[in-house]
Amino acid sequence: GAVVSQHPSWVICKSGTSVKIECRSLDFQATTMFWYRQFPKQSLMLMATSNEGSKATYEQGVEKDKFLINHASLTLSTLTVTSAHPEDSSFYICSARRTGGGTDTQYFGPGTRLTVL
Amino acid sequence: KQEVTQIPAALSVPEGENLVLNCSFTDSAIYNLQWFRQDPGKGLTSLLLIQSSQREQTSGRLNASLDKSSGRSTLYIAASQPGDSATYLCAVTGAGKSTFGDGTTLTVKP
Repeated sequence: GAVVSQHPSWVICKSGTSVKIECRSLDFQATTMFWYRQFPKQSLMLMATSNEGSKATYEQGVEKDKFLINHASLTLSTLTVTSAHPEDSSFYICSARRTGGGTDTQYFGPGTRLTVL
Repeated sequence: KQEVTQIPAALSVPEGENLVLNCSFTDSAIYNLQWFRQDPGKGLTSLLLIQSSQREQTSGRLNASLDKSSGRSTLYIAASQPGDSATYLCAVTGAGKSTFGDGTTLTVKP
C-alpha cells in the first residue's frame, strides 16, 4: 500500500504557541488530503479537507483561523495549530487520497500527538 | 450523512478463541471500507482494505467481509492471541470522505 508520513510524531508545547504538523504522501501525488483529530477514548473526527492549490474546506464547528491548513504541493499538507491551548491537546491524523484505476482510497499517516501545557 | 456503528464496544476473550467484530454503516454508496488497529496512545495500523466491488479480504489470521447492500462488514480473527489486544476501528470512505466507527476494544486474556 501507499505510504503517508507525519512529522513530528509527538510534540509538547506551551500554551499560546503555534505548532505545525506536516503530512506527506511519500510515493504518490495527492490533490486531496484530510485532517482528523481524536480525543482520548473517542473515535476520529474529520476536521478539514485540504485541497492542493486552493483553500481547505472545514467541517462544521472547526475554527479555520485556529487550524490553518496549507496544501502547497501534491505531496505535502501542513496543519498549524495557532495559539494552542490545553484543550487542543489531541491526536491529529492525516490521510492522503489516492484515486485512479477505478479506486478511491485514503491512506493514513501514523498520527501526531500534541500536548499543550 | 454517513453513520458508522461498531458492535460490541468492548470484548474480552480467552486466548485461542475465534471472534467476530461487527461494523455497520447507513449509506451504502461507499468506495471502500478499511479495518484498522490502534494500540493505546498509538496511531492507526491498516489491517485490511475492501474495495466496494469486493466481498472479502484476508491477511493471515484476519478475514474481513463486506456486504455493501446491507451496510455491514465483519472482521474475523482466528485463534486470538494476547498480542491482538487493541482497539479495532472500521472506516468507510465515500465521496472522498472517511467516516470512522467508535471502535471495539478487544482484550485477549492469556
